Amino acid sequence: DIQMTQSPSSLSASVGDRVTITCRASQNINTYLNWYQQKPGKAPKLLIYAASSLQSGVPSRFSGSASGTDFTLTISSLQPEDFATYYCQHSYRTLAFGGGTKVEIK
Amino acid sequence: QGQLVESGGGVVQPGRSLRLSCAASGFTFGYYGMHWVRQAPGKGLEWVALIRHDGSNEDYLDSVKGRFTISRDNAKNTLYLQMNSLRAEDTAVYYCARASLLTMIDAFDMWGQGTMVTVSS
Repeated sequence: DIQMTQSPSSLSASVGDRVTITCRASQNINTYLNWYQQKPGKAPKLLIYAASSLQSGVPSRFSGSASGTDFTLTISSLQPEDFATYYCQHSYRTLAFGGGTKVEIK
Repeated sequence: QGQLVESGGGVVQPGRSLRLSCAASGFTFGYYGMHWVRQAPGKGLEWVALIRHDGSNEDYLDSVKGRFTISRDNAKNTLYLQMNSLRAEDTAVYYCARASLLTMIDAFDMWGQGTMVTVSS
């Protein structure tokens, strides 16, 4: 099975900071990679699909990129509403989520 | 833009069964692949099962194969998850999720609010 290693598992940042979260796949998954945001007690929300496509209605400060088996979610300028947990998810042959990254206020 | 509403969760003893439902509204349910995703208390997301738009194909997480069955009734706009031989480790919030039509790669663009399943004696 393909393993998704997400890092870091948590981070502390301030409003206005640039934040980068990474997912590494254990083998090639092409660009079969999506990113989600989840706030406590709520269902996840799709941010980025196919590694770099911005979901409709998602602010442009969110972006995704890919380099081989490494995938990155970037928040260009962290806003108060962005403090949440972020998950990557692949769908190459099967489906699985990364372990999550909790973004907390510094 | 539509919504998904899960039901059927509850407290059940190990080894017993439970059926979850997910009622869809506001969109053409029969066009979309559908999935179940779960989240154990305090843990991350775990994909559980998928069914294609016409019911032609299903797939499951290895740990639920042979115990869980996903199905759908497009006439009733409803997705189901039949869960048999439940174990303590199946305790989680279960979400139904819709696969986006914008991409072939199963991105979940709509989620229900979740229903809690607790397996305990």
